[in-house]
Amino acid sequence: GENVEQHPSTLSVQEGDSAVIKCTYSDSASNYFPWYKQELGKGPQLIIDIRSNVGEKKDQRIAVTLNKTAKHFSLHITETQPEDSAVYFCAASMDPGNTGKLIFGQGTTLQVKP
Amino acid sequence: NAGVMQNPRHLVRRRGQEARLRCSPMKGHSHVYWYRQLPEEGLKFMVYLQKENIIDESGMPKERFSAEFPKEGPSILRIQQVVRGDSAAYFCASSPLVQETQYFGPGTRLLVL
Repeated sequence: GENVEQHPSTLSVQEGDSAVIKCTYSDSASNYFPWYKQELGKGPQLIIDIRSNVGEKKDQRIAVTLNKTAKHFSLHITETQPEDSAVYFCAASMDPGNTGKLIFGQGTTLQVKP
Repeated sequence: NAGVMQNPRHLVRRRGQEARLRCSPMKGHSHVYWYRQLPEEGLKFMVYLQKENIIDESGMPKERFSAEFPKEGPSILRIQQVVRGDSAAYFCASSPLVQETQYFGPGTRLLVL
């Protein structure tokens, strides 16, 4: 069935370094790929998203790239700061019935060391 | 412009009791999704509703779980005869249109004793 794989499960970087999180998806019909940040005890917060008609999208220190041929997409955070520490989830909307349900990756715990 | 509201934020139930989780979508949003997050895991889709209609319940357990989104009032996720395995965080998300951005609420953390 539909599946989204996310790597790595944990990532530790020094403040100021870049962080990259990668996801692969199984269904070539997927067309919407959001990234969420979840802090402890809170709900997921959308940080950036991309649709399949775009290869890259950037918002200040955050960027997402999409490779439809290889069926993978990545989150790039530059100049990381301690407040970037959180769990990050990728997701894909891969429903032929067009209901918009999201299939999530397993999450990446990012730790930014000051 | 208030975000997605969920209540209660924390809910403790004993095995066999019922749990009712409420979700008020963002103003102007008529699409509601429920997801469940088990400890140390990602979010799993449960059900998608529009006003007065269940559109996709492919992620809902076949027994004990039900959901509704009435014409007036919040969406309700109901779990009957709870078991310890139901302990999880339940998140609601809303969107203005299908396949538009989903905005999540703070979640309800259910603990079954």
